[in-house]
Amino acid sequence: DAMVIQNPRYQVTQFGKPVTLSCSQTLNHNVMYWYQQKSSQAPKLLFHYYDKDFNNEADTPDNFQSRRPNTSFCFLDIRSPGLGDAAMYLCATSTLDGTEKLFFGSGTQLSVL
Amino acid sequence: QKEVEQDPGPLSVPEGAIVSLNCTYSNSAFQYFMWYRQYSRKGPELLMYTYSSGNKEDGRFTAQVDKSSKYISLFIRDSQPSDSATYLCAMSGDSGYSTLTFGKGTMLLVSP
Repeated sequence: DAMVIQNPRYQVTQFGKPVTLSCSQTLNHNVMYWYQQKSSQAPKLLFHYYDKDFNNEADTPDNFQSRRPNTSFCFLDIRSPGLGDAAMYLCATSTLDGTEKLFFGSGTQLSVL
Repeated sequence: QKEVEQDPGPLSVPEGAIVSLNCTYSNSAFQYFMWYRQYSRKGPELLMYTYSSGNKEDGRFTAQVDKSSKYISLFIRDSQPSDSATYLCAMSGDSGYSTLTFGKGTMLLVSP
C-alpha cells in the first residue's frame, strides 16, 4: 500500500543533543510537510516543500531545520532540543490536485530529557 | 477570535448513540473542509472531505458544511467503541498548497 512512513515511532533525546527525524513516502506526492503537535493541540505547520522548494513558516524557530534530498524522503533536524520541543512530529504529503487533502504518517513522539 | 473553534471534549457516549461533532470558523475564504480521525499516539487519517457547502455521506459518517453560518459538522451513526478517537476538523482556502487550518480536536469516547 502507498503510504507515508515515519521513523522512529518514539525518540528520546537529551536536552541540547541534536536529533533527526525521518519521513519517507511511496505516494509520489510533490508536497511534503512537517507538523508539530503537542498534547490536546492542533497540528502546527513548521515547513513544507514543493518538490525542492522550501517554505518556512514565519514562526518556526531557527532551531528547526529540514532537508528533502529527493521526492521520497524528508528529514527534520532539531539542532538543540529544549524541553518545550517535546511533542509529536507529523510528516504529511499532498499532491497539487486542487483537493487540499493531506496524508499523514504515524508520527514520531519526541521526548527530551 | 481563533480561526477555527472546536470543543475539546471529551464527549462520552454509549455504543449505538448518534454523535455530533462541530467546528466554527471565521475565515469566509475557506472552501475545503475535512475531518480527520486521530487515534492515540498515531497520525491523523482523512475521514471525510467536502468542497464548499453541502452534505456528504460515507457509511455511518455524514459531513455537513454551512458556509453561510461558518459551521461544519460530523455526524456518526450507530457509534462503536472503535470510533473512540480525537476528531480534528481542518479547512483551507484556495492557496495552492494544502496549508490547512486545524481545530484542536474533540476527543470522543464510546463505551460498550
